[in-house]
Amino acid sequence: EDKVVQSPLSLVVHEGDTVTLNCSYEVTNFRSLLWYKQEKKAPTFLFMLTSSGIEKKSGRLSSILDKKELFSILNITATQTGDSAIYLCAVHITQGGSEKLVFGKGMKLTVNP
Amino acid sequence: NAGVMQNPRHLVRRRGQEARLRCSPMKGHSHVYWYRQLPEEGLKFMVYLQKENIIDESGMPKERFSAEFPKEGPSILRIQQVVRGDSAAYFCASSLLGQSSGNTIYFGEGSWLTVV
Repeated sequence: EDKVVQSPLSLVVHEGDTVTLNCSYEVTNFRSLLWYKQEKKAPTFLFMLTSSGIEKKSGRLSSILDKKELFSILNITATQTGDSAIYLCAVHITQGGSEKLVFGKGMKLTVNP
Repeated sequence: NAGVMQNPRHLVRRRGQEARLRCSPMKGHSHVYWYRQLPEEGLKFMVYLQKENIIDESGMPKERFSAEFPKEGPSILRIQQVVRGDSAAYFCASSLLGQSSGNTIYFGEGSWLTVV
């Protein structure tokens, strides 16, 4: 069965801290790994990773994929209260003529002032 | 350029009633996906549709649930005879040509169903 596991499931930090979110996966027919941020509404796209070892950056956020060890990390530096959200890791897989995202349970980040 | 539009945003139904959730994909998108998010859980795939075709409904319960994406109009997720366990957030997503073509998938803001 395809599965995606995120850790930790929740984290409370202070503004300015750096956090690392982990995502491991076991799937067949891997196409890409995606990170989303969810704040009580639509998951908003952060990164899509397809190749190992290539870091993607967007401001204070960065992410990297290891296809050999089957995991990805999402780093957030100098956290702000606005970073408080649920961070979702998802793996895009194909099955026959179909395709879907397999999600982890999400990691709830709380950034306190 | 409007994003993925879902309505209603919140819906309350009594046990045994029907719930009908609508999703209008982004303009030009012909691939629609429905996901369900139960409390404290991640999103779970339900169904993948293209215009007038169900491509994959492997994540949808066999009974009471159905989905369609007609040639004209929004995609509809229909839940008949709702039970308390159907209470969840239902997210619709769309993409231009399907993710396997490298297209990003965009999510709507969700429809929160509460069964009382």
